[in-house]
Amino acid sequence: EPEVTQTPSHQVTQMGQEVILRCVPISNHLYFYWYRQILGQKVEFLVSFYNNEISEKSEIFDDQFSVERPDGSNFTLKIRSTKLEDSAMYFCASRQDYGYTFGSGTRLTVV
Amino acid sequence: QQPVQSPQAVILREGEDAVINCSSSKALYSVHWYRQKHGEAPVFLMILLKGGEQKGHEKISASFNEKKQQSSLYLTASQLSYSGTYFCGTEAAGAGNMLTFGGGTRLMVKP
Repeated sequence: EPEVTQTPSHQVTQMGQEVILRCVPISNHLYFYWYRQILGQKVEFLVSFYNNEISEKSEIFDDQFSVERPDGSNFTLKIRSTKLEDSAMYFCASRQDYGYTFGSGTRLTVV
Repeated sequence: QQPVQSPQAVILREGEDAVINCSSSKALYSVHWYRQKHGEAPVFLMILLKGGEQKGHEKISASFNEKKQQSSLYLTASQLSYSGTYFCGTEAAGAGNMLTFGGGTRLMVKP
């Protein structure tokens, strides 16, 4: 079964540093997403991406965040200057028509 | 505004049934159901669309009351593998391409 692949699985970074989280969505999917989940809490929407541009973004997705699809396969989330409260599990997802397929996540720890 | 799930937690014996509810204050286009096991990504279970279409796993059943903007997930003859946190995600009509998740229902199935 096709998978969404995320790397790295775990990243530890110092406050103020930039991080790039990487995702390879399912190849024939058209819609791409980033969600995050703070430990023990619900999954929160960050941003959706379609046709090479952002289609929706949440209040969480401020100027510190950006997304790119630099080539035909990768989909990245960049956090420019990380804060302690950015510590969370970040999930990439893609979809074609119906259900979303989530990647296994990147656990980001900001120290 | 996030959908409201109930109950927050359920403990079952293997073989027992459970119903998990999800309600929204917004007019919905679709309701999605996901199961998440500890430390893993959410796994798609089912989508229910406005107009009655449903897609999902054969062993899962759910309903969507479009008038009340409510959905219920029915877990019958529960197995140990059903344990996890169940999230509903809603797509509001006209609100764009994003899922808003409920707070989750923790299900524990005991032998």
